[in-house]
Amino acid sequence: DIQMTQSPSTLSASVGDRVTITCRASQSISTWLAWYQQKPGKAPKLLIYKASSLEIGVPSRFSGGGSGTEFTLTISGLQPDDFATYYCQQYNTYSTFGQGTKVEIK
Amino acid sequence: QMQLQESGPGLVKPSETLSLTCTVSNYSTSRGYYWGWIRQPPGKGLEWLGSAYHSGTTYYNPSLKRRLTISVDTSKNQVSLILNSVTAADTAVYYCARVYSTSFGWLDPWGQGTLVTVSS
Repeated sequence: DIQMTQSPSTLSASVGDRVTITCRASQSISTWLAWYQQKPGKAPKLLIYKASSLEIGVPSRFSGGGSGTEFTLTISGLQPDDFATYYCQQYNTYSTFGQGTKVEIK
Repeated sequence: QMQLQESGPGLVKPSETLSLTCTVSNYSTSRGYYWGWIRQPPGKGLEWLGSAYHSGTTYYNPSLKRRLTISVDTSKNQVSLILNSVTAADTAVYYCARVYSTSFGWLDPWGQGTLVTVSS
């Protein structure tokens, strides 16, 4: 099984901050990685696929990078609507999610 | 715009069978794509359960493979999930989603989810 480890588990930040979340895979997954945003009581929303491709309609302040085993999600200029939990998902072999990173207001 | 909607009983007794349906709107499941199920225990993270194609091809989370069946009914435009011998650990919000790209692609869109509680 491919394990996905996100860090940090919780991130405290202010509006306007640039924040980066890291996702590490237990083995190489090329660029077969997606990022999701989830708010309480809601289904996850796709942000990024193929590690760095921005889903249509997602603000350009979101960006993804990386390949192999290390990946990042960066939010450049945090907005009030961005406080949420973020998950990475590998889909190289079956599919597994990271444990999530909660972005909270500092 | 494609929409997915999960439905099924909100309460299931331990050792019994959990059955859920995902109804797909504004897209024919016979045209393609894999369709997946994901769950989220209260206050916890996401777990991929498996995916199915209308041809009958399926992929399951190895930890659930013995208990899980996912299938696509193109005549009803629905995707079903059957989980046998449930325990309290199966209590979760269950989501269905379209699997983009391949059998294990990214997931979009998602249904709103349905909470299933396993309790006597």
